[in-house]
Amino acid sequence: TQLLEQSPQFLSIQEGENLTVYCNSSSVFSSLQWYRQEPGEGPVLLVTVVTGGEVKKLKRLTFQFGDARKDSSLHITAAQPGDTGLYLCAGAGTSYDKVIFGPGTSLSVIP
Amino acid sequence: KAGVTQTPRYLIKTRGQQVTLSCSPISGHRSVSWYQQTPGQGLQFLFEYFSETQRNKGNFPGRFSGRQFSNSRSEMNVSTLELGDSALYLCASSLTNYGYTFGSGTRLTVV
Repeated sequence: TQLLEQSPQFLSIQEGENLTVYCNSSSVFSSLQWYRQEPGEGPVLLVTVVTGGEVKKLKRLTFQFGDARKDSSLHITAAQPGDTGLYLCAGAGTSYDKVIFGPGTSLSVIP
Repeated sequence: KAGVTQTPRYLIKTRGQQVTLSCSPISGHRSVSWYQQTPGQGLQFLFEYFSETQRNKGNFPGRFSGRQFSNSRSEMNVSTLELGDSALYLCASSLTNYGYTFGSGTRLTVV
């Protein structure tokens, strides 16, 4: 059974600080996705990484896929209050597998 | 283009009743997946439909069922509702499993 773990579970930081969120598994994934979810809404896709070692940047967000395709990280530079939300990683073993989600990291950025 | 539409947004049901939730995917997306989200369990995969066929299934009891129509619209049904079925039910559509577009969800409360 594939499982995704995320750490930390909760994170509360001051505006302007940097942070990293981790997503780990003992299984290999064909792709990993990161989503952000706000209360009462569905998750919104931020990025998909498919190649081991891949790094993608989205403004102040940097995503990395581990070389072995078992883990990923999300780094936010100079966090802003608008970054507040639940960050979820998700992945599938193959292109036809179900997509499973990690438990999420709840981020609060204090002005 | 229109996003994923889920109806209704909120629902209150009594234990023992049944409920049907609806999801209209993005035009052209043939895959529709359903998830249950609760504070304690996170996003749990229910099932995925592709071209009217169930392609993947999660570990939920038979009370949870779904179907997909020829226009890709999907419905899920929960029979004999239990208090523990109270959750946010999310529908996601996609072209591949490399990235989902989620609806805003249906908040089901069982009393």
